[in-house]
Amino acid sequence: DADVTQTPRNRITKTGKRIMLECSQTKGHDRMYWYRQDPGLGLRLIYYSFDVKDINKGEISDGYSVSRQAQAKFSLSLESAIPNQTALYFCATSAVAGEGSDEQFFGPGTRLTVL
Amino acid sequence: GESVGLHLPTLSVQEGDNSIINCAYSNSASDYFIWYKQESGKGPQFIIDIRSNMDKRQGQRVTVLLNKTVKHLSLQIAATQPGDSAVYFCAENTGTASKLTFGTGTRLQVTL
Repeated sequence: DADVTQTPRNRITKTGKRIMLECSQTKGHDRMYWYRQDPGLGLRLIYYSFDVKDINKGEISDGYSVSRQAQAKFSLSLESAIPNQTALYFCATSAVAGEGSDEQFFGPGTRLTVL
Repeated sequence: GESVGLHLPTLSVQEGDNSIINCAYSNSASDYFIWYKQESGKGPQFIIDIRSNMDKRQGQRVTVLLNKTVKHLSLQIAATQPGDSAVYFCAENTGTASKLTFGTGTRLQVTL
């Protein structure tokens, strides 16, 4: 079973619609992240959370919001989707820094298309 | 499969040869670096990491070299196999623990 799961895997929506992407993890990690990936731009951090009560903006947070419902769940919302939010979205988790590797574990991704 | 990067730099290597993928990082204060592999339709997978107090670290068929003087990171893959075909990303920890900044990636194509 996958340690980091994302739903949905694919979504096509229209401009102006509200969209929620969900992420769940069974790794027991406190830290969770949302990234978007665009061709030629690598992965860019949208939001991150170091525990259930902690939410932080990443480099491209405008137009997005997040909710950390539990240690294992971190959702990303687009309140009013626009076409330039068409991208691949990845959720990731990591253990607390200093506890060995700072490796982030990624989910399989969600492909979002905004028409 | 999904296209991870349409205009990525591409390295073509013959099966069995060694591959070297390079990455220039931006922040001299970065103290932790990771290489990820991303296959089509999948999320990035950890390959190997290195901390700034090291110059070299070896894994199974992979070696990461860190040159802090010129802010350069490289990934060497020995005896490259078709299954190594993927996009490879370097990432650096730029201060806040566990907050990574990713490079744009290099596509590795293994020819038979």
